[in-house]
Amino acid sequence: SQKIEQNSEALNIQEGKTATLTCNYTNYSPAYLQWYRQDPGRGPVFLLLIRENEKEKRKERLKVTFDTTLKQSLFHITASQPADSATYLCALSGGSYIPTFGRGTSLIVHP
Amino acid sequence: GAVVSQHPSRVICKSGTSVKIECRSLDFQATTMFWYRQFPKQSLMLMATSNEGSKATYEQGVEKDKFLINHASLTLSTLTVTSAHPEDSSFYICSARDLDRSDQPQHFGDGTRLSIL
Repeated sequence: SQKIEQNSEALNIQEGKTATLTCNYTNYSPAYLQWYRQDPGRGPVFLLLIRENEKEKRKERLKVTFDTTLKQSLFHITASQPADSATYLCALSGGSYIPTFGRGTSLIVHP
Repeated sequence: GAVVSQHPSRVICKSGTSVKIECRSLDFQATTMFWYRQFPKQSLMLMATSNEGSKATYEQGVEKDKFLINHASLTLSTLTVTSAHPEDSSFYICSARDLDRSDQPQHFGDGTRLSIL
């Protein structure tokens, strides 16, 4: 069955450092991979989408890589700030654009 | 940007009550909306896909008579949890896709925290 794995342990980093979150998947050939941010008690907010034929995408301090051979995506936040503290969800989808979500990884940026 | 409004944000009610949750796309039209359920520290689980003008498509294991979905217009979908029981307590979130931009991801509402006593 399809499986999406995100590190269940919280990632703690110091302000100003680069945060790197990992999303691994098995038994899936997604056309799209998305990253969302979710704050406690709120709905997810879309951050970035990357297509299967793209290796990297950037948006301001965010960078996403997509390695279909390794079946892995890395999500980077450079110059992290305490306001970046949240849960980050990885989501995969095929041609229907209906994503399947991972459990998310909590990021805590310490001042 | 695209905005999805979900109401109410929180509901606390007695067992046996039916609860209606509304999901509106405020600045775009959505032929398709999605309803998710999320337990603490768990991923979003898709419950059903709501299609404007037709019956909703439910995921395996989701009771259609328990979770009634109505998508009467291009901007409104409702989820009614009928005869709710404590095990239905959860965080329910809707999302919508822009009608004219099918290559874009979904936009989510802020969720409804449902607590059944």
